[in-house]
Amino acid sequence: QQQVKQSPQSLIVQKGGISIINCAYENTAFDYFPWYQQFPGKGPALLIAIRPDVSEKKEGRFTISFNKSAKQFSLHIMDSQPGDSATYFCAASEAYSGAGSYQLTFGKGTKLSVIP
Amino acid sequence: ETGVTQSPTHLIKTRGQQVTLRCSSQSGHNTVSWYQQALGQGPQFIFQYYREEENGRGNFPPRFSGLQFPNYSSELNVNALELDDSALYLCASTYDSSSPLHFGNGTRLTVT
Repeated sequence: QQQVKQSPQSLIVQKGGISIINCAYENTAFDYFPWYQQFPGKGPALLIAIRPDVSEKKEGRFTISFNKSAKQFSLHIMDSQPGDSATYFCAASEAYSGAGSYQLTFGKGTKLSVIP
Repeated sequence: ETGVTQSPTHLIKTRGQQVTLRCSSQSGHNTVSWYQQALGQGPQFIFQYYREEENGRGNFPPRFSGLQFPNYSSELNVNALELDDSALYLCASTYDSSSPLHFGNGTRLTVT
């Protein structure tokens, strides 16, 4: 059962363009939605994250839009640069009431290529 | 501040063997999680340790086991290796549920 569905699988964008990656989830208990960026040979690195009490969060060129009723969230990369070429993963986790941390459920990833 | 470090970076094992992967958490982090990332897929949660106790487990069989040590470093052990265990194994650490997960660069395990 895939709890977080991510699309598209791959994306090619011209330099300076907007990259948009979408995710949909099924588990209404999810309340933390991060996006991770992964370069070849490296581990995922946190890019930006949102909780459902806000509909949008912006950090530099990266924006998360969140639609709780539709159970969807998306990543927008403005002014995309060749250095942004990487694989992007959306993820989600439930509120964690116990000690320690939380477990993330990841989408399958989107390979972004930004061409000059 | 040192990040999450994993060793070895690459490993080749034969089906049926056992393997131990190691992780040093980021300084000050008391929670460590392990994820399996198959080629072309997103990471999948294996289990999590908090203060040396397992406190969360994903859909992985018991031959996947772990340890967390008093200095918060961790091991992932996999017994009776299968070809499908070939993947990138990622360790991640954090301080608490309000802090983000920080991932290491992983160990690439190949089972032949």
